[in-house]
Amino acid sequence: SQQGEEDPQALSIQEGENATMNCSYKTSINNLQWYRQNSGRGLVHLILIRSNEREKHSGRLRVTLDTSKKSSSLLITASRAADTASYFCATLGYSTLTFGKGTMLLVSP
Amino acid sequence: DTEVTQTPKHLVMGMTNKKSLKCEQHMGHRAMYWYKQKAKKPPELMFVYSYEKLSINESVPSRFSPECPNSSLLNLHLHALQPEDSALYLCASSQARGGGLGNNEQFFGPGTRLTVL
Repeated sequence: SQQGEEDPQALSIQEGENATMNCSYKTSINNLQWYRQNSGRGLVHLILIRSNEREKHSGRLRVTLDTSKKSSSLLITASRAADTASYFCATLGYSTLTFGKGTMLLVSP
Repeated sequence: DTEVTQTPKHLVMGMTNKKSLKCEQHMGHRAMYWYKQKAKKPPELMFVYSYEKLSINESVPSRFSPECPNSSLLNLHLHALQPEDSALYLCASSQARGGGLGNNEQFFGPGTRLTVL
């Protein structure tokens, strides 16, 4: 079964607003990764946060990890129309990644 | 070169056809993966190759046959597929060191959109 469960399933915002997506998982992890997928295309790795880290930044992305609650959040600040995509969290299983169901983000100009 | 390439981009095949999907990377990655993704669903792992050896097969039906001829290439041979096998097939690669495959960022190709009639 899938490890990660993102919410919301879909998010619609205006350009310039911030977008927050959450991911919950069930078992202990070594790391949690976030990926982006534009419609029908391959996935692009955004950020990896290790289990001993609480927060990580990369450009307009901020990821937090709360291992006690088994949850992570991805914040995209000052969103742009080009951020429109599906976002997946992925957790490390037995040597492999398991992807959550994803959040579909729509950023309107 | 940080690109994973996949050919063909689109493939339509009948249930009696035999076809192959190809994936190539030149990043020196020694782990390569096949995923299957249905519409509006997350990618599901099919196979993992580590150092050109099949290390994980996620109970995939035998009508899918992977092959890793060398460290840069990964093929997926298809035979006697069913319409429900229609999906986006994604290839990915990563380093194979540093505590395990999942500890490394995976680089994905653009995928092959497969339609089985």
